[in-house]
Amino acid sequence: KAGVTQTPRYLIKTRGQQVTLSCSPISGHRSVSWYQQTPGQGLQFLFEYFSETQRNKGNFPGRFSGRQFSNSRSEMNVSTLELGDSALYLCASSLASGTYGYTFGSGTRLTVV
Amino acid sequence: QKEVEQNSGPLSVPEGAIASLNCTYSDRGSQSFFWYRQYSGKSPELIMFIYSNGDKEDGRFTAQLNKASQYVSLLIRDSQPSDSATYLCAVTAGNQFYFGTGTSLTVIP
Repeated sequence: KAGVTQTPRYLIKTRGQQVTLSCSPISGHRSVSWYQQTPGQGLQFLFEYFSETQRNKGNFPGRFSGRQFSNSRSEMNVSTLELGDSALYLCASSLASGTYGYTFGSGTRLTVV
Repeated sequence: QKEVEQNSGPLSVPEGAIASLNCTYSDRGSQSFFWYRQYSGKSPELIMFIYSNGDKEDGRFTAQLNKASQYVSLLIRDSQPSDSATYLCAVTAGNQFYFGTGTSLTVIP
């Protein structure tokens, strides 16, 4: 059974650009959550999607957005990148909003220069 | 008050000892409790979950839940250097999933 797949693994962007990250959940998982992780900050919740609907949203500016497709694949987009957006972005999937825990992908390491 | 609190550590134990990691949560309606392990530069991996009061054992790992005290812990017996990682506690409440900030564990050979 394939795990959670995130692409790309590494990304370098320039301030002001935008970026789109992709996540394919485990087959059958309908809940996809996104997290930002920076040194010393722990996992910061971005948003959760379930059956194409955003169910929960963290405390991030509107530059961060996401969506989920009918096949449960999800994308997140960050517009007008800032240096502080440099982080590891993690996607996690679950059968039902984490009731049975989330399985994480390997993450996308974003560096903004 | 944060939903999930953990002592950030670092916690150091000698090889072979018992490592004890603790977590408290604020929402009495919390239903499911998880422990994740995260090695440096890697993504978190689920190692234990517990839903009912009491102990749950899996190999060298034991999760303990006390809902009255809103407390969940993870014991690692016979700690190995390969257990050195950050351990994250996570809790579900309603359809929300909350992570603690993690406790860094170092097992000294």
